[in-house]
Order: sequence, then C-alpha cells, then structure tokens
Amino acid sequence: GQQVMQIPQYQHVQEGEDFTTYCNSSTTLSNIQWYKQRPGGHPVFLIQLVKSGEVKKQKRLTFQFGEAKKNSSLHITATQTTDVGTYFCAGGDYGGSQGNLIFGKGTKLSVKP
Amino acid sequence: DSGVTQTPKHLITATGQRVTLRCSPRSGDLSVYWYQQSLDQGLQFLIQYYNGEERAKGNILERFSAQQFPDLHSELNLSSLELGDSALYFCASSVAGAPYGYTFGSGTRLTVV
Repeated sequence: GQQVMQIPQYQHVQEGEDFTTYCNSSTTLSNIQWYKQRPGGHPVFLIQLVKSGEVKKQKRLTFQFGEAKKNSSLHITATQTTDVGTYFCAGGDYGGSQGNLIFGKGTKLSVKP
Repeated sequence: DSGVTQTPKHLITATGQRVTLRCSPRSGDLSVYWYQQSLDQGLQFLIQYYNGEERAKGNILERFSAQQFPDLHSELNLSSLELGDSALYFCASSVAGAPYGYTFGSGTRLTVV
C-alpha cells in the first residue's frame, strides 16, 4: 500500500538555526498536506500543495512539492521556541471527491533557547 | 476549540473490555476520519466515513468497528481490548476533497490496564 516516509525523526536545534524536514511517498500523490502538533495537542493543518513543483511560504515556513509529486519538504528559517512540536506530512491519493490522507511518522522538533 | 468534539477525553479500562469513542464533526463537514496515535508510530489511519457511508479502511483491527449516524456524528467501538490498544485516538473531519485540510479533535486517550 501507499507509504509516506518522513525524515529526520527528531531534530534538535538552537534557537535561530534553520530546520528542514523531508517527506517521500512510494506513489505519486495528488496533493500533500502539512500539519503541526504541539506537545499534548492535536494536529493542526498548516498548508496543502497540489501542483508539481509548487512552493508556498507562510512567514518563516517554506513548503515545497517535488516535480514528480512524490516528495515534499518543510523549511523553517530562524527557528523560535514557538516552533516546537511535531511536523507531519500527509499524502493524498484521491480517487474521487473523497479520500483519506496517509501520514508520515513526523519530525519532532525541539528548540533550545 | 477546533469545532470537532471528541468524548471522553480520557478513558481507563481493563483488558477484555469494550469501549465506545464518540466524535462530532465540525459543522458542515460530511467526512469523518479516525486515526490512532501511539508512541513513535505516528498517525495510523483507521477508517473514513462520508455522509453515513464507509469510504475507506486502513489498518483497522477486526475487534474495532465504527459507524456514522444520520446526524453525522461518529462512534468508534473497540472491543476485547488489549494492552497494546492503549493510544491516543483522534477523530478528524473535512469538507469534500479536504482542500482546507482535516480538522482534528483533541483526541481520546485510552489506557488499557
């Protein structure tokens, strides 16, 4: 079945350093979504990428969708302590108007002040 | 408050027992998804319902079942519970095609003792 792999599993950074997490799918995706889960919280939707080669920015966060629509990345510039949490990518393989997302295992980010 | 309501928030039960987790989706969302989150296992997709009908099935055990009612709330039934079923169970909802992502509830933490 479809698998979504995410690396690294953990990342420890000093505040102000950059951070990147990578996501790879075993199949071509129709879209990819990114979520953030704060410690003790629930996943919160960040963004969706649909087009091949798409790049979207949200302040210090940059999201990319690969040309082949099988990989994606999330890059955070100059991390802050508020960035702490687990970042999940989720691949969509929609066969129609409905579908479900397959989540990667996430990258847990810790930021040292 | 995300708009997705899950009850109860915590549940402690003994092995062999049966429990029911409840989810009310965000107003207007017809799709409901159930995910299991265990330590280091990420978010495992269990099952999806759309407007009362089962749409997709993931790695859901035969001991587990779910349904979505006419008022769109959903219940996840877990029976013959084992220690390994201890996890955080999330419900999420979305509009058709999920262009704005999934909205997750705050989860039910199940502990089997």
